[in-house]
Amino acid sequence: EDQVTQSPEALRLQEGESSSLNCSYTVSGLRGLFWYRQDPGKGPEFLFTLYSAGEEKEKERLKATLTKKESFLHITAPKPEDSATYLCAVQAGSSNTGKLIFGQGTTLQVKP
Amino acid sequence: DAGVIQSPRHEVTEMGQEVTLRCKPISGHDYLFWYRQTMMRGLELLIYFNNNVPIDDSGMPEDRFSAKMPNASFSTLKIQPSEPRDSAVYFCASTPSLTYWANVLTFGAGSRLTVL
Repeated sequence: EDQVTQSPEALRLQEGESSSLNCSYTVSGLRGLFWYRQDPGKGPEFLFTLYSAGEEKEKERLKATLTKKESFLHITAPKPEDSATYLCAVQAGSSNTGKLIFGQGTTLQVKP
Repeated sequence: DAGVIQSPRHEVTEMGQEVTLRCKPISGHDYLFWYRQTMMRGLELLIYFNNNVPIDDSGMPEDRFSAKMPNASFSTLKIQPSEPRDSAVYFCASTPSLTYWANVLTFGAGSRLTVL
C-alpha cells in the first residue's frame, strides 16, 4: 500500500535556527513528490515538485531534496512568517493519475 | 484570477440534514478534485473530475456522499444524510493537467463542516 510519513509532527525553532523536515514514502512507481505549505484556516499552497532522486529545488529560505526513499525540506535561517504546516504528497502509479497521497504534515513554529 | 472559490466557508448543521458544498475551479483547469481533511486522517482524496466527468470516486466514503460537475465552472459535493463523523474541512482543488510536470493543485480556502 502506498504510504507517506512525515516527521517530526511538530517542530519549534528560534528565528535563525536552521532545521530539516522529513518525508518518507513507500510507493509503487513514483511520478512526483510535492511539498505544500498550509496556513491556519487556508488551503494548501504549492511549494515544490521533485521528480527524480538527486533533484533539488530552492525558494527563498526553503530547499527540497529527493532520494529514492525520502525527501527533505531544509529551512535555512527561518523567520516567524515561515510558521505553518508543511505537507508532503506523492503521485504514484504506472499512468497519469490525479490522486495525491498526503502525509500528515509537520507543523512548524518559528519564534522571534 | 480569483483562484478556486468554495462556499460556504463554514457550515454547522444537525445530524440527518442534507449538506451541499460548492466549488468554482480556476477557468481553464480541466481537472477538479474534492479532498477532505481531518486531524486523524489528514488530507484524503474523495473524487476527481476531468472535463466534468468523474474519473475516480474510490475515496467517497459511502453512498451518503455524492458529487456532481454539471459544467466546467461549478461542482457540488452533497452529503445526505449528514453524520457527526462527517465533520471535517472539505477542500476543492483544480489543475490544468495531470502531466507530471504540470500537475500542481491549486486549493480553495475550504469549507469547514460541523455536524452536531
